[in-house]
This record gives sequence, structure tokens and C-alpha cells, in this order.
Amino acid sequence: AQKITQTQPGMFVQEKEAVTLDCTYDTSDPSYGLFWYKQPSSGEMIFLIYQGSYDQQNATEGRYSLNFQKARKSANLVISASQLGDSAMYFCAMREGMRGGGADGLTFGKGTHLIIQP
Amino acid sequence: DADVTQTPRNRITKTGKRIMLECSQTKGHDRMYWYRQDPGLGLRLIYYSFDVKDINKGEISDGYSVSRQAQAKFSLSLESAIPNQTALYFCATSDPGDSHSYEQYFGPGTRLTVT
Repeated sequence: AQKITQTQPGMFVQEKEAVTLDCTYDTSDPSYGLFWYKQPSSGEMIFLIYQGSYDQQNATEGRYSLNFQKARKSANLVISASQLGDSAMYFCAMREGMRGGGADGLTFGKGTHLIIQP
Repeated sequence: DADVTQTPRNRITKTGKRIMLECSQTKGHDRMYWYRQDPGLGLRLIYYSFDVKDINKGEISDGYSVSRQAQAKFSLSLESAIPNQTALYFCATSDPGDSHSYEQYFGPGTRLTVT
């Protein structure tokens, strides 16, 4: 079974609108972290936001917020007031075993290609 | 200067050739990783290293080997390259002591083509 599922291969959004990118995850580990990365056409991976499984509040970083619904195992990324420069691939990723031990590294979803239209 | 650098940035090689991709970091992190990205897919973990004496296989280690020469250097080798190893390769670092987030810092990537 896939550990990270991103169900939207591509999205078109009008500039200045809010965007929600979906991510669901699968783990039996009680201690995990969820990440979102942006990959523009130039190819680099840009860290956007992080949510720990024990964090009580949803993470926010500027225009980015993470809608964390633990019971549903979802960690959707919300981008407020989208800009043309937000056009990119967006990846949701998870690290299990955050409190020591176990394998390291991130497990990534297949990504969502977001295109912001003027 | 970039914190995580990768050389070369682009490489075209022939089937059967040995090739090494290099990664250097100035962040002082103990943990380093190699990932590959295929078109339309997310990144997949090849190898990771907790320190110079601790190297571990990731999800897709077959056909690859690594060497952790120093805390700052982590190399990925393809002993005998094959066309399905054509991909974008990323090196990354992290340090749990640096922040609670375990954020991974990625290099710019190496685009490898095997013909």
C-alpha cells in the first residue's frame, strides 16, 4: 500500500485564489512527521512546511498552512492568495519513527502539478 | 555559497560505465541521503548515512553503492550504469539536533542520462 497518496496529478487555479493540495498518509507509527516540498521547473526541492504527529496546532508558514486531520490521516497543504510564482510540483512526504530508532529518510507522494493562471 | 552541493550537475554516460555522483555539505549535519526522482514520480530513497561509520540501504539500493568519506561528503556510485538508472538524483542532509522538524536540506540535483 502507498504510504503517501496525492490524488490530484494536476490543478489549475486562478491567481489570488486559495489552493488546497490533498495528501493522505498511511502509518502505524504514532510518531511521525509530515512535510511539504515545492519543486519549480528548475528542479530544486524547496521545503515549505512541517507538521509533527504530536503537534496540537496546525502548522503555518507565511501563506502556507497545513490542514492536519490526524484521525483521517490527511495533511492537506493550503496556499492562500496564490501567485504566479507558486506554479510548480508539490510533494507531500512523511518520516516515520521521529522519536528515535528505525529507518531514516522521507517517503514521498507522486506530487501535484499546480499551475496558477493569471 | 550553497549549503549542499552536487557534482556533476548533468552527466550523460553509456551503459556499463562506472559513474560517481558526489555530494558535499557545509551545514555540519551528520545525516546524509541519496534519492532518485523519475519523471512523474516523487523521490525515492537509495541510501542514507547517520555518520561516517553508519550507512544504510533505502528503498531502492540495488545497483548502487555509497561511500561516506567524511562528515561533509557522501558519494553515490553506479558500478555498471543501465538505462533505467536515468533519473534526477538528489543529495540531502538533516540534523535532528538542528531543529525539531527533521527538515531535509536538498542539493540542486544531478541529472543523469544513461544511453
